[in-house]
Order: sequence, then C-alpha cells, then structure tokens
Amino acid sequence: AQKITQTQPGMFVQEKEAVTLDCTYDTSDPSYGLFWYKQPSSGEMIFLIYQGSYDQQNATEGRYSLNFQKARKSANLVISASQLGDSAMYFCAMSGGPFGNEKLTFGTGTRLTIIP
Amino acid sequence: DGGITQSPKYLFRKEGQNVTLSCEQNLNHDAMYWYRQDPGQGLRLIYYSQIVNDFQKGDIAEGYSVSREKKESFPLTVTSAQKNPTAFYLCASTTRGLGRVNTEAFFGQGTRLTVV
Repeated sequence: AQKITQTQPGMFVQEKEAVTLDCTYDTSDPSYGLFWYKQPSSGEMIFLIYQGSYDQQNATEGRYSLNFQKARKSANLVISASQLGDSAMYFCAMSGGPFGNEKLTFGTGTRLTIIP
Repeated sequence: DGGITQSPKYLFRKEGQNVTLSCEQNLNHDAMYWYRQDPGQGLRLIYYSQIVNDFQKGDIAEGYSVSREKKESFPLTVTSAQKNPTAFYLCASTTRGLGRVNTEAFFGQGTRLTVV
C-alpha cells in the first residue's frame, strides 16, 4: 500500500525567503511518481512539479524544486524567493501500482502562509 | 480548451436523499478519480476507474457509487447510506499506460456538497 506523510500542518514564512515543505512516502511499487500540488482558497488543485522514481536529477520548475532522496523516501518541495501569492495548501502525492499509474495517493497537506 | 468540468459547483441535499455529482473530461484520459476533502484535511480516494466499464473502490467507498459508461464521464452518486456527506468533492483524470507514472492529474473545480 502507498502512504504519503506530511508532518507540517502549517508554516509561516517571511516574504522573499526560501521555504521547504516536507514529504515522506512509503511504497512497495518498483516504479512510482511523486507530485506536488497547490490548492488556493478557491479549492482548485494546481500542479506544480513531478519527480519520477528513476529520474537521476531533481526536478525543477521555475521557483519550485523537488529535493528527491530515494534512500530516505523523501520528496521535499523547495520554493525559492517566496511571494504572497504562494500562500495556500500544498499537497504531496504519489502515483504507482503494478502498472505504473493506477492510483493517486495524497498526503494531508501543509498550509503555507507568507508574511509580508 | 481541454479540461475537466464538475457540476454543480454547490449542491445542497436533504438527509435521506441520493445526489449525483457530474464529472466530464475532454482530455481523452483513460483514468478518472473521485476524491473527498474535508476542511483542513487532505484528499481521500473514493473510487477510481482506469477504463470504461471498470472501476475500483478507493479508501472510503462506503455510501458512494459510480459508473463509467463513457470515457468522458465519471459521475459520483452520494447515497443516503453515506453518514456524513458534507464535504468538498474533487474529480481528476490522468492518462494511463504500462509504467507511465510521469503524468500529472488534472482536476476539476470541485463540488461543495452540504446536507441540510
């Protein structure tokens, strides 16, 4: 069974500082994908970044990077130069299964608040 | 534009009534999912379908039912057996294929269901 753990229910960060959101996972699937999503107060889910389990390099997308440590089973999201618009819920998620993409499992989320 | 459409955005249900939430996608995605989100919590998987005329229970399927008669559509029925149906419901879709983990899930805008 897959499991995603996000241990930070809430974080407060000063604007323009970098922030790291923690995510650890557990799976017995040989191949899996790790995702981060942002959910503003409007409720929509916005895809941020993806990391495949066989990818050698950490994924980056603009101000977002994923610190992937496979041996530790962690996939932390790093946001550089935080902005007020980054205030939202952030969810770590995993896809996997015997055929690779059968099921998506989400963590409980971290509420990030950027302070001016 | 391709995407996922959920309707209605807000839904009110009397106790003891069944209601059906609509989810339609024009992304030509094979897999579709239904999630439930309670205030301040993560997403919990209700049902998912990887192909037409086939679907599997997720982690909290009791009190819910689905159908997948068309690739584009994956309606969710919240039955009177669901003890606490008030929540935010999100529909998602992904492409599916052997070993294809590197595909993000696209989400609809969600339906907020309230039992009155």
